[in-house]
Amino acid sequence: DVKVTQSSRYLVKRTGEKVFLECVQDMDHENMFWYRQDPGLGLRLIYFSYDVKMKEKGDIPEGYSVSREKKERFSLILESASTNQTSMYLCASRPFGQTTEAFFGQGTRLTVV
Amino acid sequence: AQSVTQLDSQVPVFEEAPVELRCNYSSSVSVYLFWYVQYPNQGLQLLLKYLSGSTLVKGINGFEAEFNKSQTSFHLRKPSVHISDTAEYFCAVSDQYNQGGKLIFGQGTELSVKP
Repeated sequence: DVKVTQSSRYLVKRTGEKVFLECVQDMDHENMFWYRQDPGLGLRLIYFSYDVKMKEKGDIPEGYSVSREKKERFSLILESASTNQTSMYLCASRPFGQTTEAFFGQGTRLTVV
Repeated sequence: AQSVTQLDSQVPVFEEAPVELRCNYSSSVSVYLFWYVQYPNQGLQLLLKYLSGSTLVKGINGFEAEFNKSQTSFHLRKPSVHISDTAEYFCAVSDQYNQGGKLIFGQGTELSVKP
């Protein structure tokens, strides 16, 4: 079975802290994604990566950065956490191609206080 | 730019009733369409997908969806729902020119099945 693992299910951080959300996939997928999920807004794409060291901005990249040093790992970084970044964060991976299925992690619920 | 609109944010139904969750998309090129389900406190999992061919697609758990190119719709249906179908459902689109294989998701529809 494909597995996408997010390092934490729940996180509580203080305003201004630097926050790292880690995601690891075990199926050698080329593409990896970070989404943010908020009620009524669905899933919004923050960043995605289609290869090691490659990254592209999604629809809401402001306040976030990413790192992909190895194929299996995609990290989301909040440089200076703010309360409006309190949300559910979902990582996904997908093989190359437009017709393939994306696989999701369990999500990290981040609360910034 | 691509977009996906799920027309109902919440759909309450009684057990064993039929249900339809509506999804419309906008894209000027060939598209690939997906429905995902998210059970409480879990990640998303694929229900079904339309790539080409027959416009009626069958998925897991008795769900099916119909692709309608002229209406740019991909509505999800189930003839008889169960309590266990209570979840959030997301429609997503990908097209042939999408860099990096990104999926664009709709706002989600909360299906609530009552006894």
